[in-house]
Amino acid sequence: DAGITQSPRHKVTETGTPVTLRCHQTENHRYMYWYRQDPGHGLRLIHYSYGVKDTDKGEVSDGYSVSRSKTEDFLLTLESATSSQTSVYFCAISPLPGQGQGTQYFGPGTRLLVL
Amino acid sequence: DQQVKQNSPSLSVQEGRISILNCDYTNSMFDYFLWYKKYPAEGPTFLISISSIKDKNEDGRFTVFLNKSAKHLSLHIVPSQPGDSAVYFCAASEGGGTSYGKLTFGQGTILTVHP
Repeated sequence: DAGITQSPRHKVTETGTPVTLRCHQTENHRYMYWYRQDPGHGLRLIHYSYGVKDTDKGEVSDGYSVSRSKTEDFLLTLESATSSQTSVYFCAISPLPGQGQGTQYFGPGTRLLVL
Repeated sequence: DQQVKQNSPSLSVQEGRISILNCDYTNSMFDYFLWYKKYPAEGPTFLISISSIKDKNEDGRFTVFLNKSAKHLSLHIVPSQPGDSAVYFCAASEGGGTSYGKLTFGQGTILTVHP
């Protein structure tokens, strides 16, 4: 298994509060991604990073921000949590995208409930 | 706009028989396709992939077929085993240096293999 951990694994928070989810990898991969999984939608890309301090928006980035200050850590922040952000969040890493390979390896997920 | 679609939410098969999971896509720029398996409370696990230059790829009991003219791919599992019961996601990416390996996922198909 790829060395990817996510913390916390479960979180309950209240509407309007900021929340930060952490993804940590030990594989030294350059590319990292944040997805959310919701019923009927599969996994949808929130933000991704192609290097330290290099990030960009995905399909569903509104209400989310990310930071990557070192290779191994990719943080996802919900600036002001809303009930629509209740979801399961997955981090993924990839060793060599952009060359038709693009296989991603996923962490165990964080289940977030916004009340 | 769902660029990758799995039109069957669920599939039930008998142990030992063949499971066929289907996926359709609309974006003609997709050139790399993957299947992931997901158990409850775990992250997706990479299963098998195929490049658009091929029409078939095998790995043990798993075979992926790609029909580019129909924009259709399928995953065959032979023989099916109860441990194959999971949610299966197909995913696609665009090649080249500008895509950053971003994946677009289908909604998933729940496979149940009965003993």
